[in-house]
Amino acid sequence: AQSVSQHNHHVILSEAASLELGCNYSYGGTVNLFWYVQYPGQHLQLLLKYFSGDPLVKGIKGFEAEFIKSKFSFNLRKPSVQWSDTAEYFCAVTPVGGNTPLVFGKGTRLSVIA
Amino acid sequence: DAGVIQSPRHEVTEMGQEVTLRCKPISGHDYLFWYRQTMMRGLELLIYFNNNVPIDDSGMPEDRFSAKMPNASFSTLKIQPSEPRDSAVYFCASRPGLAGVNEQFFGPGTRLTVL
Repeated sequence: AQSVSQHNHHVILSEAASLELGCNYSYGGTVNLFWYVQYPGQHLQLLLKYFSGDPLVKGIKGFEAEFIKSKFSFNLRKPSVQWSDTAEYFCAVTPVGGNTPLVFGKGTRLSVIA
Repeated sequence: DAGVIQSPRHEVTEMGQEVTLRCKPISGHDYLFWYRQTMMRGLELLIYFNNNVPIDDSGMPEDRFSAKMPNASFSTLKIQPSEPRDSAVYFCASRPGLAGVNEQFFGPGTRLTVL
């Protein structure tokens, strides 16, 4: 079975700092990878996804993620965070071609301070 | 499209009472998922349906929890009797049945508090 590890539980950054959130998954086959964001009091929304092709994926609001197959990683990055990026971020994985649910990591809470 | 709709948004009840959470998936989506979110355990998959049929309910914590999907546009998650440790946010999500389309669309969630 697949699993996802997000090693950072809570990250605190100042505005304009660069962000990198770690995500590692365990699965031997080909996967689809996702980052979801949950703003305070809201539901999960898709930030970006990797299906195939270019391992550097660009999403909304200036976020990007890089799939490194050899490291089973899909880290999320943003060069300069804003206060409005304060949220919880979830990495998720599912096997390619399967019809199984996404498997989520436990999430990383990002707090951006002025 | 209105997206995934859940009701109620907030529910406060007393221990021992029956609780019913409702979900309307996005029209045309063949898969429906119920998740529970807590601080301690994160986002847990409880059960999911494909074409109204339960596929995997291994995440349902115990017999007090049950879920149904009587038709393509409606699902319920019932807890009977409820306990304080059931307090959590319960999310419903749906996705199309098209091969290769794995993105799940989430509803706003129901925040359940059991006193």
